[in-house]
Amino acid sequence: AQSVAQPEDQVNVAEGNPLTVKCTYSVSGNPYLFWYVQYPNRGLQFLLKYITGDNLVKGSYGFEAEFNKSQTSFHLKKPSALVSDSALYFCAVRDQNTGGFKTIFGAGTRLFVKA
Amino acid sequence: EAGVTQFPSHSVIEKGQTVTLRCDPISGHDNLYWYRRVMGKEIKFLLHFVKESKQDESGMPNNRFLAERTGGTYSTLKVQPAELEDSGVYFCASSPGTNTGELFFGEGSRLTVL
Repeated sequence: AQSVAQPEDQVNVAEGNPLTVKCTYSVSGNPYLFWYVQYPNRGLQFLLKYITGDNLVKGSYGFEAEFNKSQTSFHLKKPSALVSDSALYFCAVRDQNTGGFKTIFGAGTRLFVKA
Repeated sequence: EAGVTQFPSHSVIEKGQTVTLRCDPISGHDNLYWYRRVMGKEIKFLLHFVKESKQDESGMPNNRFLAERTGGTYSTLKVQPAELEDSGVYFCASSPGTNTGELFFGEGSRLTVL
């Protein structure tokens, strides 16, 4: 069965510092991996995805994520955080081989960037 | 281009009543999904339509939940009768034909059952 773990409920970082939001996953086959962001009273917005190829993927708003197959991780990173990055971040996985179109989400990590 | 729209944005009902949530996907998106998030927990998959057909309804909690997508356009999710544990935010998402693509989400319908 597919699953996603986001071990931190909240991440606090000072503006200008690098940020990391952690995600680990479990699938029986090869994964498609996604990050989404949710701002208050809005729907989830797509940030980036890993399908195949380079392990480091770049996405919207300067975010990037690194796929690590051996550690089954897909941590979200940004070199320099902005106050406007404060939001709820969700990691998601889809099993290429058995999951069809079903996407499984984590519980979310709230990012708080302090000025 | 209009995004995914959901109605109502918030519904407060008494236990035992019925509620119907509606989702209008992005035009041309064959895939439509329903998800639910209970406070602080993961966003749980409910079901997936391809056009008007239910492709995967493995996440539907029980037979009090009924989803339809007549004509392959908009979808409704009816909860009858509602229970306290049904409270949460119901998200609808849509996507085009491939399974490598991201989902496009609506803003959600918050359901409160008293």
